[in-house]
Amino acid sequence: EIVMTQSPATLSVSPGERATLSCRASQSVRSNLAWFQQKPGQAPRLLIYGASTRATGIPARFSGSGSGTDFTLTISSLQSEDFAVYYCQQYNNWWTFGQGTKVEIK
Amino acid sequence: QLQLQESGPGLVKPSETLSLTCTVSGGPVSSSSYYWGWVRQPPGKGLEWIGTIYYIGKTYYNPSLKSRVTISVDTSKNQFSLKLSSVTAADTAVYYCSRQAGIQLWLYPDQWGQGTLVTVSS
Repeated sequence: EIVMTQSPATLSVSPGERATLSCRASQSVRSNLAWFQQKPGQAPRLLIYGASTRATGIPARFSGSGSGTDFTLTISSLQSEDFAVYYCQQYNNWWTFGQGTKVEIK
Repeated sequence: QLQLQESGPGLVKPSETLSLTCTVSGGPVSSSSYYWGWVRQPPGKGLEWIGTIYYIGKTYYNPSLKSRVTISVDTSKNQFSLKLSSVTAADTAVYYCSRQAGIQLWLYPDQWGQGTLVTVSS
């Protein structure tokens, strides 16, 4: 099983600032990596697939990068609606998810 | 617009079988472009893939759950279903159904249902 490790567990950021979230795979997943946003009581929402392709309707302030084992999700200027938990998911060898990064208001 | 809706009992007794159905509207489950599947999330915890099905009935399961999971599809009702046998308290979770997009078997969930909480308790 491919283990996905996200860091940090919690990220405190002020509105308008940049947030950088990391995800590391225990073995290469090539570019088969997705990012999701989840708010309390809601289903996850697809943000990024293919490591760097924004899903339909996702604002340009969300960007993804990386390949192989190391990936980054960047939110260029945090808006109030962006405070949530973010998960990475590898789909190179079936699916495993990271444990999540909570982005909270500083 | 595609919508997915989970339905089924919210309470299941230990050792019994959990059964959920996902009803899809706004698009056919028989589409050759997509797969369909289930993910669960224990309260306060992360996400776990359960399994995936293609409209012709081909299934793929998480190895850790494979012995207890059955996923099926009913194209006439535009639904797919999950059965998880011999449940314990560890199976208490919000269960999500999803549409899965991608290339061949490199799939990611691009549309999700709202989720349904299933509690295992006597």
